Amino acid sequence: EAQVTQNPRYLITVTGKKLTVTCSQNMNHEYMSWYRQDPGLGLRQIYYSMNVEVTDKGDVPEGYKVSRKEKRNFPLILESPSPNQTSLYFCASSDPGRLAVATQYFGPGTRLTVL
Amino acid sequence: AQSVSQHNHHVILSEAASLELGCNYSYGGTVNLFWYVQYPGQHLQLLLKYFSGDPLVKGIKGFEAEFIKSKFSFNLRKPSVQWSDTAEYFCAVIGPQGNYGGSQGNLIFGKGTKLSVKP
Repeated sequence: EAQVTQNPRYLITVTGKKLTVTCSQNMNHEYMSWYRQDPGLGLRQIYYSMNVEVTDKGDVPEGYKVSRKEKRNFPLILESPSPNQTSLYFCASSDPGRLAVATQYFGPGTRLTVL
Repeated sequence: AQSVSQHNHHVILSEAASLELGCNYSYGGTVNLFWYVQYPGQHLQLLLKYFSGDPLVKGIKGFEAEFIKSKFSFNLRKPSVQWSDTAEYFCAVIGPQGNYGGSQGNLIFGKGTKLSVKP
């Protein structure tokens, strides 16, 4: 089954404790992306990756890191989480090629709480 | 900066009522438009999309949307809603590759509209 998976689905942590949220897709997509969803703000892009070893900042990259060592995986790293990073995070991927017309497939989401 | 506006924050309807959710975007060039739905506790799912051609697009579950270029709008409609349509709906836009917001493939989302359907 074609899907985007994220782990963990729920995480409660404390300020400053490094964490990683994993994202994996089995559709051989080149493009992957991370979004955060906050009430009243919709979804905002954090980072995206056009392909292996190619990443770039989205609209709200501060406090986050990503890596793309393999095509299928795109982990989101919070080196020193802060309470304002409490949010619902979604990973997405899409077909290679004509990005402008690609449909993005979303993972199930990770609800992160930073105390 | 490019933006997507959804003017209705929360819409409450009774079953069988007709639905129209507004979406306006600010980009003036060629755009590709999407409506996503997020059911309670679930991830986003694509309802429908517009790339080119017929401006009236039909999606899943009886939803449709009309692209009106002159109004920069892409409103979502359904003639008769059901309780199971209770969800949050997001309009999104993506511009030509490499020319939109500086990040290729970046979906720009509206802030969402919550739809509550009373049984």
